[in-house]
Amino acid sequence: DAGITQSPRYKITETGRQVTLMCHQTWSHSYMFWYRQDLGHGLRLIYYSAAADITDKGEVPDGYVVSRSKTENFPLTLESATRSQTSVYFCASSESSVASGGRAQYFGPGTRLLVL
Amino acid sequence: AQTVTQSQPEMSVQEAETVTLSCTYDTSESNYYLFWYKQPPSRQMILVIRQEAYKQQNATENRFSVNFQKAAKSFSLKISDSQLGDTAMYFCASLTGNQFYFGTGTSLTVIP
Repeated sequence: DAGITQSPRYKITETGRQVTLMCHQTWSHSYMFWYRQDLGHGLRLIYYSAAADITDKGEVPDGYVVSRSKTENFPLTLESATRSQTSVYFCASSESSVASGGRAQYFGPGTRLLVL
Repeated sequence: AQTVTQSQPEMSVQEAETVTLSCTYDTSESNYYLFWYKQPPSRQMILVIRQEAYKQQNATENRFSVNFQKAAKSFSLKISDSQLGDTAMYFCASLTGNQFYFGTGTSLTVIP
């Protein structure tokens, strides 16, 4: 019962480099989400996906790219990392939206990213 | 845009006492869901309790209960018989459509 996993758990990179954060869930949940957590801001939604090949922007999408070719995977790519992207990144998944029952999200353990 | 507001950045409570964390939200939707999540020092996000907006009855989960005031758009969390393991960051969240919106969190410390 792996649930939802993220890799790597910790990453240090340099400004301008491309970084990909991985997210994998074993529940076959339709919805997947990427958040960043910064002090004073709580959790802010970067991107979400309602199903394979369907993605949409959240509150803070600039500088990030996502894809979802398979239901279970939802990688997040920082195309050219900047210091302002230093943060803790959480992936989450959910079975449904409001229309289909409003079930809770389940979160991965997070990835701490430091951009030097 | 939807907003969720937690006006208490930090709170503390004596072990075995009761504490209430406040949350207000802003939505024009008639159908939505509300949640409280706990984030202990391990950083893992853990679901505490869920409330359906169309239900008037307040949700309860063991020592955790909510006071849901729909007209006031208020959704507070009450923790009874506080335990040391309740020390964590608590986030209020709303689900509207297919997006979740989170508050900025309340850091709760349980004092032995």
